[in-house]
Amino acid sequence: SQQGEEDPQALSIQEGENATMNCSYKTSINNLQWYRQNSGRGLVHLILIRSNEREKHSGRLRVTLDTSKKSSSLLITASRAADTASYFCAPRGYQKVTFGTGTKLQVIP
Amino acid sequence: GAGVSQSPSNKVTEKGKDVELRCDPISGHTALYWYRQRLGQGLEFLIYFQGNSAPDKSGLPSDRFSAERTGESVSTLTIQRTQQEDSAVYLCASSDGQGPTEAFFGQGTRLTVV
Repeated sequence: SQQGEEDPQALSIQEGENATMNCSYKTSINNLQWYRQNSGRGLVHLILIRSNEREKHSGRLRVTLDTSKKSSSLLITASRAADTASYFCAPRGYQKVTFGTGTKLQVIP
Repeated sequence: GAGVSQSPSNKVTEKGKDVELRCDPISGHTALYWYRQRLGQGLEFLIYFQGNSAPDKSGLPSDRFSAERTGESVSTLTIQRTQQEDSAVYLCASSDGQGPTEAFFGQGTRLTVV
């Protein structure tokens, strides 16, 4: 299985602080994707990092990938209350897309 | 349509009844996925379609669950003789199937078995 496992399971921070969540996986991958889920509905794709990339930025998001350690991290800078959501990683090869249990982020205004 | 569409949005059914959940993927997307998410839990993979074939149905929890896809488009997830533990949000996603590209999700069907 290419399922990733997110850590921590829950994270609570003050608005304006940075939030870091991690993902570990076990198999080789083509890329790794991060998704966000609000209110238990559909996931929204945030960012994709390819296996030959080490870092990628998109707005306030910064993703790193260490294929030697089979791990990735998602950093959200200057967090806002609207960032409150669950975040999931999806390590991707050429098989089905599977997800872990996610990190529940709460940003306190 | 522009996105993945699921219907109904909400469904309340009596224990023992059959239900059908529908997913309309993004036009042209060959890969389609179904997931189940119980309250406060992660996404549980159910089944994956590539075209109209299901190369991986390993996540279907019992023989009460089945799914089909026709015309490389719409998919239906059927749950027979529903049980209270089937209560969950059922999410559908599609991707263009050209390798490990991003998946686009519908808003899900919230199923409540009473």
